[in-house]
Amino acid sequence: NAGVTQTPKFRVLKTGQSMTLLCAQDMNHEYMYWYRQDPGMGLRLIHYSVGEGTTAKGEVPDGYNVSRLKKQNFLLGLESAAPSQTSVYFCASRSARGKAAYEQYFGPGTRLTVT
Amino acid sequence: AQSVTQLGSHVSVSEGALVLLRCNYSSSVPPYLFWYVQYPNQGLQLLLKYTSAATLVKGINGFEAEFKKSETSFHLTKPSAHMSDAAEYFCAVTEGGSQGNLIFGKGTKLSVKP
Repeated sequence: NAGVTQTPKFRVLKTGQSMTLLCAQDMNHEYMYWYRQDPGMGLRLIHYSVGEGTTAKGEVPDGYNVSRLKKQNFLLGLESAAPSQTSVYFCASRSARGKAAYEQYFGPGTRLTVT
Repeated sequence: AQSVTQLGSHVSVSEGALVLLRCNYSSSVPPYLFWYVQYPNQGLQLLLKYTSAATLVKGINGFEAEFKKSETSFHLTKPSAHMSDAAEYFCAVTEGGSQGNLIFGKGTKLSVKP
């Protein structure tokens, strides 16, 4: 049981390049989230999904797109990377029901640097 | 809108001393509250959560937190700090509404001196 995994762990991009971050969970969770973490800012929600085929904007969605074609995967895309998107990105998932509802499980993170 | 305030971005204690990390929230509805811990270069791990049952919540690694509605607080404590407790700690509150998204505080970095 791997929990939440993220690919890649590290990436360096040049300004204007594009990339996709992959998040996978094997807990059959309905909800999935993408956050960015910057020093002194805590975690800020980029986009989230409440189920397969659905996505919604979070607090800081500009410059990012997401897709959830399969229940276990949640992809985060940067179409044209900017230095302001240098950050650590975390994926999380949670169940929609039961005692663990609202409890989010986090992946190990992806450290992205845009030069 | 809900918000979370963590007092003190850095807290330093000696090994064996009491750990107290402060969290205050604003919420118009009864919230669910969480404390997460992040060790260097790792993801966030749940320490404990309050979900409207007992107001004193016990978590992993000897941590506990008390929900005080009158003070809108959910402070995290541990009686005796260990070197392995050095990490960053995040308080979070449910956003309200049907989605149940979490709002995170900015974090408190705990240092433990030998």
